[in-house]
Amino acid sequence: EAGVAQSPRYKIIEKRQSVAFWCNPISGHATLYWYQQILGQGPKLLIQFQNNGVVDDSQLPKDRFSAERLKGVDSTLKIQPAKLEDSAVYLCASSLFTGIMETQYFGPGTRLLVL
Amino acid sequence: ILNVEQSPQSLHVQEGDSTNFTCSFPSSNFYALHWYRWETAKSPEALFVMTLNGDEKKKGRISATLNTKEGYSYLYIKGSQPEDSATYLCASLTDKLIFGTGTRLQVFP
Repeated sequence: EAGVAQSPRYKIIEKRQSVAFWCNPISGHATLYWYQQILGQGPKLLIQFQNNGVVDDSQLPKDRFSAERLKGVDSTLKIQPAKLEDSAVYLCASSLFTGIMETQYFGPGTRLLVL
Repeated sequence: ILNVEQSPQSLHVQEGDSTNFTCSFPSSNFYALHWYRWETAKSPEALFVMTLNGDEKKKGRISATLNTKEGYSYLYIKGSQPEDSATYLCASLTDKLIFGTGTRLQVFP
């Protein structure tokens, strides 16, 4: 079965520019997650979708970050405008459902560098 | 413990050595403990999901134990191989998955 796809793999932008990342989860997976991993830290959940509804966006900086999953399949995460501290790896993950034993399957991530 | 903590931060071992890492997590509001392996330029790969105190899981040469009462999990690798070189992440599930900072393992031939 195909894994979680993400694009682009790498992105370099200047501060105050906008950037968007795309994620296509494993087919049939209802739950989709976006994580931010800053160098030296563990991945931090930004937003969780169940189908096309938001379950948890408590750690999403909503003044500059937005995410959508309009048809309950693929998703985009946008940063507008970017700051230097947004430099990180952005990981997308999906799981069949939301449950205690549910494994999250990760994509390869998008490495963002903000100059 | 308020956060998920992993030790050591990094580890260098010779091929054939056995090794282990520690993951400490808050024992309150605990649902599950996840272990992931993340090789450079690849996707994080799920190793284990454990929920019960005393749980032990094994996958080839890698095994893990869980103590929910004291809030720790150990990951063991028996007879390390160069292909085991990766960052090993643990994550505690409360209302969301909270990750540690990882243990970076380098196995030298």
